[in-house]
Amino acid sequence: NAGVTQTPKFQVLKTGQSMTLQCAQDMNHEYMSWYRQDPGMGLRLIHYSVGAGITDQGEVPNGYNVSRSTTEDFPLRLLSAAPSQTSVYFCASSYSWEAPTEAFFGQGTRLTVV
Amino acid sequence: DAKTTQPTSMDCAEGRAANLPCNHSTISGNEYVYWYRQIHSQGPQYIIHGLKNNETNEMASLIITEDRKSSTLILPHATLRDTAVYYCIVSNAGGTSYGKLTFGQGTILTVHP
Repeated sequence: NAGVTQTPKFQVLKTGQSMTLQCAQDMNHEYMSWYRQDPGMGLRLIHYSVGAGITDQGEVPNGYNVSRSTTEDFPLRLLSAAPSQTSVYFCASSYSWEAPTEAFFGQGTRLTVV
Repeated sequence: DAKTTQPTSMDCAEGRAANLPCNHSTISGNEYVYWYRQIHSQGPQYIIHGLKNNETNEMASLIITEDRKSSTLILPHATLRDTAVYYCIVSNAGGTSYGKLTFGQGTILTVHP
């Protein structure tokens, strides 16, 4: 099993550009989420999904869109990149949001907006 | 979700037990205590979770006080590879948390040779 796979690992964007961060899991997990981590900080929740076709906002959703058309994939779209979105982005999945299960995290996408 | 308080940093000698405390005095009855760690800015790694009973797995033990207002993560024989940021998180699976994990600043554990 690959677990949670994030692509790309590194990305540099110019202000105003858009891009999609990819996240895929092969564990048939119901719950998926996106976090961002700024230097010296803990992770903050951007968006989450409790199943295909269902998404909701987390703590810091502004400037990001998500969709969940399949169980496996949960892409994160930056609509118009800003320097404040320079961060490390982590995708996570877990078997269920209804039970206390462990979350599996990807290795992160390091994004720099110049 | 209940807020957690952890020491900013701790040191431990290699081979000794590392005891990481966490205060969660506002925890509610349906909230679980989770521990994750993050090594070198990699993705966080799940360690253990519990509700009110003590738990043990191959990585660590979790001791929760009877009133559930605090807990301790124990790494029984710390190695250099255990150097990481350790996060204590309180969350109610299946409730309004919808599986969300709220990460604080965590404890930086440094294991010395």
